[in-house]
Amino acid sequence: DGGITQSPKYLFRKEGQNVTLSCEQNLNHDAMYWYRQDPGQGLRLIYYSQIVNDFQKGDIAEGYSVSREKKESFPLTVTSAQKNPTAFYLCASSKDRGSGANVLTFGAGSRLTVL
Amino acid sequence: AQSVTQLGSHVSVSEGALVLLRCNYSSSVPPYLFWYVQYPNQGLQLLLKYTSAATLVKGINGFEAEFKKSETSFHLTKPSAHMSDAAEYFCAVSGTSGYSTLTFGKGTMLLVSP
Repeated sequence: DGGITQSPKYLFRKEGQNVTLSCEQNLNHDAMYWYRQDPGQGLRLIYYSQIVNDFQKGDIAEGYSVSREKKESFPLTVTSAQKNPTAFYLCASSKDRGSGANVLTFGAGSRLTVL
Repeated sequence: AQSVTQLGSHVSVSEGALVLLRCNYSSSVPPYLFWYVQYPNQGLQLLLKYTSAATLVKGINGFEAEFKKSETSFHLTKPSAHMSDAAEYFCAVSGTSGYSTLTFGKGTMLLVSP
């Protein structure tokens, strides 16, 4: 079955360490997204990519970095510059890059806890 | 820029009762609107979407929503709640011209009691 795989599901990190969250999709979707979810805050967009080797900042990009070297993969690095990184991170993809009517397919998420 | 407001962070209903989750949008032109559902520790899945066709949209699991331009609303309803409907529900909006990303509301947790 096609879908989005996020790993790891749970991750613990010490302050000052960078950590990379993996996101892989086998849906042949063009666009990929990273959202951060905090209790009572909904989902906030961190970065998105409409095509390989190109990505744009979302609403809360500070302290995060991404790459899109392959269509299937969109890893997110949470750097030590992110002041409050403990959160649930969701990766998503959509088929086309050209329309706001796109339906997003989500992965199961990665929960990051900074100790 | 578009935004959505979900009224009520928690809604409690009894099994068999009507479910009504409220969403109001802010946009200079009618946008695209979506409802997603999230079960605990999982990703989101689409319930239904409005993309300027019929104003009454039917989705999965017996849910439906009506786009009301005059009220800038897109409320989600289900005639009879099941225990399995207990989850968090998110309303989301995107623009209709050019490329637009989704903006989510803060979510409403639906609690269903026997």
